[in-house]
Amino acid sequence: GAGVSQSPSNKVTEKGKDVELRCDPISGHTALYWYRQSLGQGLEFLIYFQGNSAPDKSGLPSDRFSAERTGGSVSTLTIQRTQQEDSAVYLCASSLLAGQETQYFGPGTRLLVL
Amino acid sequence: DQQVKQNSPSLSVQEGRISILNCDYTNSMFDYFLWYKKYPAEGPTFLISISSIKDKNEDGRFTVFLNKSAKHLSLHIVPSQPGDSAVYFCAASARGHNDMRFGAGTRLTVKP
Repeated sequence: GAGVSQSPSNKVTEKGKDVELRCDPISGHTALYWYRQSLGQGLEFLIYFQGNSAPDKSGLPSDRFSAERTGGSVSTLTIQRTQQEDSAVYLCASSLLAGQETQYFGPGTRLLVL
Repeated sequence: DQQVKQNSPSLSVQEGRISILNCDYTNSMFDYFLWYKKYPAEGPTFLISISSIKDKNEDGRFTVFLNKSAKHLSLHIVPSQPGDSAVYFCAASARGHNDMRFGAGTRLTVKP
């Protein structure tokens, strides 16, 4: 596809369960970013990948959150033992290079933890 | 910590008039600023950017102004159109850093 895609588009889970969110960046984009947007909040930076490595994990809110990227392409964000405060829209973005490049966003995954 | 602030959660303007969206930042290391536009159920899309070496950047109906001394930027849309109705996010980054900081967004409604 031409743009960044994310799956699932919506996820409802029970508190305590693990969830995996997937991001397919634009082909050829080396940098990949995860953000989340909680109700009434701005976009909160979570993690950044350059290729398959994550030099900046500073935004991950707790050790229940982890992310990986394989083959310099697809990335998964995993949330273990989900809590109600994890409910948010999780957005993925990619850019051609790292640094101050325009980021192209996916449509997001809306996560609801009951 | 809210390094980028958009203090107006919403703005309503009449079609054809000017829309002015404001953004303030606290980190003096920020040197690159962007505006993103977001429609419901879609990811943000890039609108316009400005580097700190400039104080104005114009693209069609959209102009971004940067006041470094006041740590303030604004987005002007003129003339406003109903299709401009969306949430607008201000974002900032510092050279050498990869975590772009976003404001909370301003919901713009342009009435026909």
